[in-house]
Amino acid sequence: EDQVTQSPEALRLQEGESSSLNCSYTVSGLRGLFWYRQDPGKGPEFLFTLYSAGEEKEKERLKATLTKKESFLHITAPKPEDSATYLCAVQAGGSNYKLTFGKGTLLTVNP
Amino acid sequence: SAVISQKPSRDICQRGTSLTIQCQVDSQVTMMFWYRQQPGQSLTLIATANQGSEATYESGFVIDKFPISRPNLTFSTLTVSNMSPEDSSIYLCSAMSPTYEQYFGPGTRLTVT
Repeated sequence: EDQVTQSPEALRLQEGESSSLNCSYTVSGLRGLFWYRQDPGKGPEFLFTLYSAGEEKEKERLKATLTKKESFLHITAPKPEDSATYLCAVQAGGSNYKLTFGKGTLLTVNP
Repeated sequence: SAVISQKPSRDICQRGTSLTIQCQVDSQVTMMFWYRQQPGQSLTLIATANQGSEATYESGFVIDKFPISRPNLTFSTLTVSNMSPEDSSIYLCSAMSPTYEQYFGPGTRLTVT
């Protein structure tokens, strides 16, 4: 069974204080690893897909990296508007395209 | 990316009744899905909505409780039947792009009293 574990559950940063979120996974044949951002009362917003170990993707202050066992979401010099819950999900190969999600990391960035 | 809308955005329902949630995508997509997000829990896939055929349900979810329709490539409905307070949750529709990303709607927040 595919599993995704995210840590920490919650993270509080000061504006400008860089940090990383972790996503550990076990999956039978990874098709892709996905990062989403979710604001309160809204649906998840797609950020990145990573397909193979060693791959990196960047978007503004966010950079996602992937190894064979985990992914990191690095946040550089965060701003208060980066406050949200960040979700990680994996998709296994085959004909079932389901996403298996972790419980998320609640990030709070204080001004 | 696909833009997805859901109706209603929220509802409060009585035990034993049913609610149908609508999901509309702004472009034709091959795959649509329904997820549930319970407080403190991960998003969990309920079923894959198949166009023109019966939905494919995940373990723990059954058609009698969560009937799904998908009459065309841009629209789907999920019904939550014979509701109990345990069904209180956020229900989310998603659509998959050709490169396997899934884009989500804003969700329907359901409270069962």
